[in-house]
Amino acid sequence: EVQLVESGGGLVQPGGSLRLSCAASGFTFNTFWMHWVRQGPGKGLEWVARIHRDGFSTSYADSVRGRVTISRDNGKNTVSLQMKSLRAEDTAVYYCARELPAAGDYGLDVWGQGTTVTVSS
Amino acid sequence: SNELTQPPSVSVSPGQTATITCSGDAAANQHVYWYQHKTGQAPVMVIYRDTERPSGIPERFSGSTSGTTVTLTISAVQAEDEADYYCQSAENSGTYWLFGGGTKLTVL
Repeated sequence: EVQLVESGGGLVQPGGSLRLSCAASGFTFNTFWMHWVRQGPGKGLEWVARIHRDGFSTSYADSVRGRVTISRDNGKNTVSLQMKSLRAEDTAVYYCARELPAAGDYGLDVWGQGTTVTVSS
Repeated sequence: SNELTQPPSVSVSPGQTATITCSGDAAANQHVYWYQHKTGQAPVMVIYRDTERPSGIPERFSGSTSGTTVTLTISAVQAEDEADYYCQSAENSGTYWLFGGGTKLTVL
């Protein structure tokens, strides 16, 4: 079964740091681009970051660039999101998602259940 | 403009047809993807590449495109279709991704 399972969410103070992880199973992980997407309370889905199959190419939303780093370990089938200088507006459910495999097909076909990050003092 | 605009809400009775639009330059220039998102669950892709339906998605879900507007149509709506629906596209060869604001579908 194709599956993505996020972990690492929790309560963190403003200005703090947190590292989210996503464990992939059921597919050949190193052949897919991977993403993080979030949903703040009462808000819509917001794309956060993307990482290439080999981990050497990344891109970020303007709202998180410079504060967030996406990385992956193809040996462990995991993708991570390191977040620093967290703000209240970073409070959200964070989803890990897999990009469609075809070149130029920019959609997300598999999603995890999400992990909740709360930034509050 | 790198925005995708959706109506905040759509309401239909069971058995009727629901149409949800998504408009913007990104919708005209790139493929659009649609997701169904129910509270507490993972989002599910219901349409890819503007008009294609993934395996396992009921035939009542369809997509169409015209100019700068793409449309998700749900025929013969069922109570289980009540959810938030998001369109999504990407720019700069996938470097920048964006979602529409979402549409809450209410089945009366």
